[in-house]
Amino acid sequence: SQQGEEDPQALSIQEGENATMNCSYKTSINNLQWYRQNSGRGLVHLILIRSNEREKHSGRLRVTLDTSKKSSSLLITASRAADTASYFCAYTDNYGQNFVFGPGTRLSVLP
Amino acid sequence: GAGVSQSPSNKVTEKGKDVELRCDPISGHTALYWYRQSLGQGLEFLIYFQGNSAPDKSGLPSDRFSAERTGGSVSTLTIQRTQQEDSAVYLCASSLPSWTTGETQYFGPGTRLLVL
Repeated sequence: SQQGEEDPQALSIQEGENATMNCSYKTSINNLQWYRQNSGRGLVHLILIRSNEREKHSGRLRVTLDTSKKSSSLLITASRAADTASYFCAYTDNYGQNFVFGPGTRLSVLP
Repeated sequence: GAGVSQSPSNKVTEKGKDVELRCDPISGHTALYWYRQSLGQGLEFLIYFQGNSAPDKSGLPSDRFSAERTGGSVSTLTIQRTQQEDSAVYLCASSLPSWTTGETQYFGPGTRLLVL
């Protein structure tokens, strides 16, 4: 299986704290994307980072990519209760043959 | 504007019956994808349509699964002789062309399938 892996599987923090989620993968990638899924809802695209980029920001989100370690991290700063969701990393390999999702990290932000 | 829509939102069926799931992509999106998400699991790629090209069926788990895309727009995922392990949320997504360059995929709300 080429499935990516996120860790931790579940994360519970207090509102205002930062949340860090990690994603590891096994192949050479073209790009890596992070998605959010609220309970009972569809997936929402958060941010895309290309294989030649090392860091990218979008609002309170910061994504890093280390291709030598085949890993990426998603940092949510100053978390809010509304950030409670599952977060998935997804990527395409260099052949574009697969769009692979990890199992996700369930984030709970407590008020 | 209208996003990706899927129907039905929920489907309960008996083992052995056939089901059809529908996806309406965003207008102008030539790429369409089907995924499956079992309870507590990550997303599993099923099939990918890009324009008039032959679909990438590499993710379909068995020959009971098939999908069509008529007129380059609406798609139907059909599961024949459903089994209990087919129970999952089936998600559809669409995007502009060139998925290998990472075009954002926009997801529908999914169809929850329960096979009794």
